[in-house]
Parts: sequence; C-alpha cells; structure tokens
Amino acid sequence: DIQMTQSPSSLSASVGDRVTITCQASQDIDNYLNWYQQKSGKAPKLLIYDASNLETGVPSRFSGSGSGTDFTFTISSLQPEDIATYYCQQYDNLPTFGQGTKLEIK
Amino acid sequence: EVQLLESGGGLVQPGGSLRLSCAASGFTFSSFAMSWVRQAPGKGLEWVSAISGSGGSTYYAESVKGRFTISRDNSKNTLYLQMNSLRAEDTAIYYCAKDYFASGFSGRMDVWGQGTTVTVSS
Repeated sequence: DIQMTQSPSSLSASVGDRVTITCQASQDIDNYLNWYQQKSGKAPKLLIYDASNLETGVPSRFSGSGSGTDFTFTISSLQPEDIATYYCQQYDNLPTFGQGTKLEIK
Repeated sequence: EVQLLESGGGLVQPGGSLRLSCAASGFTFSSFAMSWVRQAPGKGLEWVSAISGSGGSTYYAESVKGRFTISRDNSKNTLYLQMNSLRAEDTAIYYCAKDYFASGFSGRMDVWGQGTTVTVSS
C-alpha cells in the first residue's frame, strides 16, 4: 500500500489567513492526488484533483500543487465556511488517504 | 443531478452479516466504477472496495478481503456491499462514491453519498 503522510493533524488560523497543508506519499504517485473537504456530519467533497486542478464550482481561494511524492494544499484567504477536515488521497494504486487535517478558526 | 443514497446499515453482532445498498440516479450508472469508503467513529477515511462499471472487475482493501463482497445490478442502478464475519473494527459510516472516469476504475471519486452507519457490537 502507498502510505500518505499528511501534516499538520490540526490547525488553527484566523479569517483571512493563508493556510497550507502538506501531504507526502511513500512512493512516486506522479500527480494522482486528490484533496477532499469534509464538514462535520457530512460526506467528503472533492475540491482538487490531479494535484492542482480545481473541481467545478470550488472557490478559487483553494489551490493545490506538487508531483511525485510531495504535495501542498492552500487556502489563500481563510473563510468561516472553510472550517472542516481536509484529506489528501492518492489514486496511483488502490486508493489511500492521509490522516486528515482538522482546520479551526482562531 | 447526480445522487447516491445508501441504505442497509444497522446494529449487528460480531460474526454477523449485513448487506449495504447504494441507489444511484442522475448519470449512466453502468458506465462508471463505484467504490465503498468507510469512516470509523472519530477517525479518517478508509477505501474499502471498488467495482468496474460492468461488474467484471472488483478490488478490495486487505482489511476486508475474503469477508466483504462488492456487486452491482446495473438494471436497478444499485451498488451493494455484502459484509460477512463482521468485527467490532468494521464499525463505521459507509459511503458509496462514484468514479470520475467512464472507463475502468481510477480511484478519483467525484460524487459521494451521505453514508449509512454500521455498528458491530454484542
């Protein structure tokens, strides 16, 4: 299995802050990397696919970058509605997820 | 509108069985691979199983291989997960998810249902 190491596990930031989450794969996964947002009590929602492509309808303050083993997810200006847990997921092989990053408002 | 609606969850004793269903609408069901993903209470996401659009290819996580069986009925636009020999560690919310590509299984899951809860306890 490909292991996905996501950090930090939790993060507290202020409205308007730039927020960055990282994800590292245990082997080269090219750009087969998705980012999901999961709000409390809800199903996950796909935000970013193929490492850097924004899913239709997702606000442009969300972005992703990286390839190979190292990836970054960024919220350029944190909004109150962005409070959620974020997961990276690789699909170069059978899917595996990172441990998640719980984002809170300071 | 693409929709996925899971059902069949409940309380079952260790060693018991349960069958989950996922009713799909709003897209050509038979063209897309489908997955089951679970989330234990307070934990992260774990991919469980997937099946190709035709049903001819299936995939399983090691943690459920030999105990769970994924299947689909394209005439009914419904996905299933038969879960046998259930353990306490199978307790989770089970989500079905649609694959993005209309060819084979990729693991890029673009639409998710709201989930059904399975509790394994005596």
